[in-house]
Formats: sequence, structure tokens, C-alpha cells
Amino acid sequence: DIQMTQSPSFLSASVGDRVTINCKASQNINKYLNWYQQKLGEAPKRLIYNTNNLQTGIPSRFSGSGSGTDYTLTISSLQPEDFATYFCLQHNSFPNTFGAGTKLELK
Amino acid sequence: EVQLVETGGGLVQPGRSLKLSCVASGFTFNNYWMSWTRQAPGKGLEWVASITNSGGSTYYPDSVKGRFTISRDNAQNTLYLQMNSLRSEDTATYYCTRLASADYWGQGVMVTVSS
Repeated sequence: DIQMTQSPSFLSASVGDRVTINCKASQNINKYLNWYQQKLGEAPKRLIYNTNNLQTGIPSRFSGSGSGTDYTLTISSLQPEDFATYFCLQHNSFPNTFGAGTKLELK
Repeated sequence: EVQLVETGGGLVQPGRSLKLSCVASGFTFNNYWMSWTRQAPGKGLEWVASITNSGGSTYYPDSVKGRFTISRDNAQNTLYLQMNSLRSEDTATYYCTRLASADYWGQGVMVTVSS
């Protein structure tokens, strides 16, 4: 099984900050990496698919990059509605596996 | 608008069974693989099962293989998850998702396994 190591687990930041969240796969996942945002009590929402493709309707301040085993989600300028938990998902091969999550909190 | 609505959750005793349903709308259901993903209270996400658009092939992680069965009725635009021999560690919110890569999610349904 492919293990996804997500970091950091917690992140404190301010409105307007640029933040990055990382996921490292235990083997090459060929850019089959998605990013999700989850707010308390809600279902996850896909932000980015296949490393760097922005889901329709998601603001352009969200972006993704990476290749091989290392992937990054960047939020260029944090907005109040961005404080949430973020997860990565590899869907290169079954079993699909998620990162453990990053909780982004207001500093 | 894509909509996925799960039903069938509840409290069940260990060792018993439960069947979840997910009704899909807003897209051509039989063109898409479908999946279930779960989230234990306060925990991360775990993929549970996927099924091809025809229903001809299914996929599971070892944690549920042999106990859970994913199926679909394309005429009714409905996805199912039959869960047998339930354990306390199956307690979670279960989400229906479109595609193995989970582009759209339902609102989730809670399953609690406890005596």
C-alpha cells in the first residue's frame, strides 16, 4: 500500500499569509494526487485534482504542484473562509490512501 | 448540479449488518465509477470501496474485504454498501463519492457500531 505522509499536522497563519502544505508518497504516484478542504461538520470538497488542476469554482489562490513522490498545496493569500482542514489523496493505485490532514488555524 | 444523498445509517450492534444507499442525480450515473469513503469521529479519511460504471468490478482495502460489498443499480441511479460482521472500528461517517478520485461527495451518513 502507498503511504501518504502529510505535513504539517497543524498550521497557524494570518489572513493574507501564503501557506504551503505537503504530502509525500511512499512511492511514485505519477501525479495522481488530489487536495481536499473540509470544514467542521461538512463533507470534504475537492480543490485540486491530478496535482495541479483547479476544480471548477475554486479560487485561483489555491494551487498545486509536485511530481514523483512529493506534492504541495499552496494558498497564496489566506482568506477568512480558508481556515479548515486539508487532506491529500493518492489515486494512482488501490488502495487509495489519504494523508492524515492539516488543520489550518487562525493565528 | 451533482447531488449524492446517502441514507441507511444508524446504531447497530457488533457482528450485525447494515446497508447504506446513495441516490445520485445531476449526472449520467452509469458513466461513472463510484466509491465509498469513511471518516471515524475526529479522524482522517479512509477509502472503503469502489465500483466500475457497469458494476462488473469492485475494489476494497484489506480492512473491509470479505465483510463489505459495494453494488449499484444503474436503472435507479443508486449506489449501495452492504456491511456485514460490523466491528466497533467501523464506526464512522460514510460518504458516497463520484469516481475513485472523489470529485463530488455526499453529505455523509453516520454509522455507529456499539452494544
